[in-house]
Amino acid sequence: SQQGEEDPQALSIQEGENATMNCSYKTSINNLQWYRQNSGRGLVHLILIRSNEREKHSGRLRVTLDTSKKSSSLLITASRAADTASYFCATDGIQGAQKLVFGQGTRLTINP
Amino acid sequence: NAGVTQTPKFRVLKTGQSMTLLCAQDMNHEYMYWYRQDPGMGLRLIHYSVGEGTTAKGEVPDGYNVSRLKKQNFLLGLESAAPSQTSVYFCASSTRTGTYEQYFGPGTRLTVT
Repeated sequence: SQQGEEDPQALSIQEGENATMNCSYKTSINNLQWYRQNSGRGLVHLILIRSNEREKHSGRLRVTLDTSKKSSSLLITASRAADTASYFCATDGIQGAQKLVFGQGTRLTINP
Repeated sequence: NAGVTQTPKFRVLKTGQSMTLLCAQDMNHEYMYWYRQDPGMGLRLIHYSVGEGTTAKGEVPDGYNVSRLKKQNFLLGLESAAPSQTSVYFCASSTRTGTYEQYFGPGTRLTVT
């Protein structure tokens, strides 16, 4: 069963706008990660936030984590056409061995 | 430094046929994983390995077997393919410590007719 659920399933915005994607999960976690998948390609790690962190930045990415609500958000600022991809959150809870459980993803389209 | 590679990239099987997917990584990672991705869904873990000679079941292991005879390789086998195994298969690897980020291969697109 999927641990993470993402919202929205699809998002289409204009280049230069900000994009926000949300992820909810069900069980306690150690870390939450975000990955990007370009069409027909493998996943690429974007950012990891630990359960004791509330916010993290990396370039144009900002991730927040609210463990009380079991939710996270990924904000991409000043979007570019190259940001068009699917974005997945992944959690590693009590399973151990760094096993990740992925959400269903948000398909982001940036219109030029 | 090739990272994670997968062979083959595409394959079409008939129901009942068998095949092996090969994953290789050159990053000296201890952990390796096999996932499947179906349309509109995230990745689901099939099997994983925490080291050479060890394997364990993931979320959807039925119909698949794996082996990790060498640290750098992780093989996924389908003994008797079924149409329900039509999917894109991804291999990933990670270190035992550190950032826990997983590195993914480019995927194998498998169609079972």
